[in-house]
Amino acid sequence: DIVMTQSPDSLAVSLGERATINCKSSRSVLFNSRNKNYLAWYQQKPGQPPKLLLYWVSTRQSGVPDRFSGAGSETDFTLTISSLQAEDVAVYYCQQYFSTPYTFGQGTKLEIK
Amino acid sequence: EVQLVESGGGLIQPGGSLRLSCVASGLAVSSNYMSWVRQAPGKGLEWVSVIYRDNRTYYADSVTGRFTISRDKSTNTLFLQMNSLRAEDTALYYCARGYLDSDGYYFDHWGQGTLVTVSS
Repeated sequence: DIVMTQSPDSLAVSLGERATINCKSSRSVLFNSRNKNYLAWYQQKPGQPPKLLLYWVSTRQSGVPDRFSGAGSETDFTLTISSLQAEDVAVYYCQQYFSTPYTFGQGTKLEIK
Repeated sequence: EVQLVESGGGLIQPGGSLRLSCVASGLAVSSNYMSWVRQAPGKGLEWVSVIYRDNRTYYADSVTGRFTISRDKSTNTLFLQMNSLRAEDTALYYCARGYLDSDGYYFDHWGQGTLVTVSS
């Protein structure tokens, strides 16, 4: 199984500041023949189901603000929120869809400082 | 608009069985990659199972041999039959649609979940 490890487990950032969450996979999730990394990011607010934010590392789902961006390749990835807004308080998960089981990171809780 | 509505959760004794349902609207369960993902109280997300369009099924090791995923085209419903339930199966169970893109799929639609509690 591919193990996904996020860091940090929790993060407190001031409004308007940048937030960065890291995700590391135990094996590469790069499908070489397609040159695509099978990595997605989800946001989960309290009492709500997860919401897809980014897929293929950096492609924003429809309706996701452009302050959310993703980067990385093979085993190391980052989610960046360029200017934190109050509504961004949530738990963020990375997930690989390269192979079953489709594993998630343990989550990073993002709060306002 | 896509909607996924789960039901069937509840309190069940260890060793018991439950069948979860997920009724879909706005998409056809039979022609999509459909998964179950669970979340134990206060914990992270754990993928449980998937059924592909060609009816292939896959399971997490933790549920293999105990859970069965299936679907009914006529009612547009996804199911998860859960047998030999254990305390560690206690979780909120989400139904999710996997959007197929370049032979990979990510979960773009989720239900609100149904809570399963395994306890004596």
